[in-house]
Amino acid sequence: RKEVEQDPGPFNVPEGATVAFNCTYSNSASQSFFWYRQDCRKEPKLLMSVYSSGNEDGRFTAQLNRASQYISLLIRDSKLSDSATYLCVVNSGGYQKVTFGTGTKLQVIP
Amino acid sequence: DVKVTQSSRYLVKRTGEKVFLECVQDMDHENMFWYRQDPGLGLRLIYFSYDVKMKEKGDIPEGYSVSREKKERFSLILESASTNQTSMYLCASSSRQGGNQPQHFGDGTRLSIL
Repeated sequence: RKEVEQDPGPFNVPEGATVAFNCTYSNSASQSFFWYRQDCRKEPKLLMSVYSSGNEDGRFTAQLNRASQYISLLIRDSKLSDSATYLCVVNSGGYQKVTFGTGTKLQVIP
Repeated sequence: DVKVTQSSRYLVKRTGEKVFLECVQDMDHENMFWYRQDPGLGLRLIYFSYDVKMKEKGDIPEGYSVSREKKERFSLILESASTNQTSMYLCASSSRQGGNQPQHFGDGTRLSIL
């Protein structure tokens, strides 16, 4: 089993739709979780950290389910500019070494 | 804002050459990382460093070495470049203060080995 797994997609959704991605992780001792966004041929950029109680930033909501070992990202009212690949990141050891998922591609369609 | 600067956006080298990729961060971060990213494989960690002159192997260190002589600078060295090292290389840094902190990336270097 991979340390971090994501559905590669693509998820094709119309503008204004709500879309959700999940990411599963195998190490039950993982303590920190993040979502990154990566545009084509660009570097990954931090979208949001994921806190135990769940957190929201505008149209984006992140949640952590420790019992089932997954994190989720919900995007409401999708915009064309949300089209990107979303990477799930999980702490996998000391010195802040993390493992990146291979990403979920989102395409928002007019 | 955190600024991570990689020395080149695009680089073309020949097989067998020694290649240096430089990375500088301006946020006094303790941790620095080198990744490569290939289609379908995601980001793979090559080496990381949690302090000056300290280095740790990542998941795919073979064919690479690193140097961290100053806190702000982390260099990746391809000892003898090979075509299978053609890739996008990403440098990142993070702070060790206040628990687990996210990594911040440079723009990346697209390296082609001919």
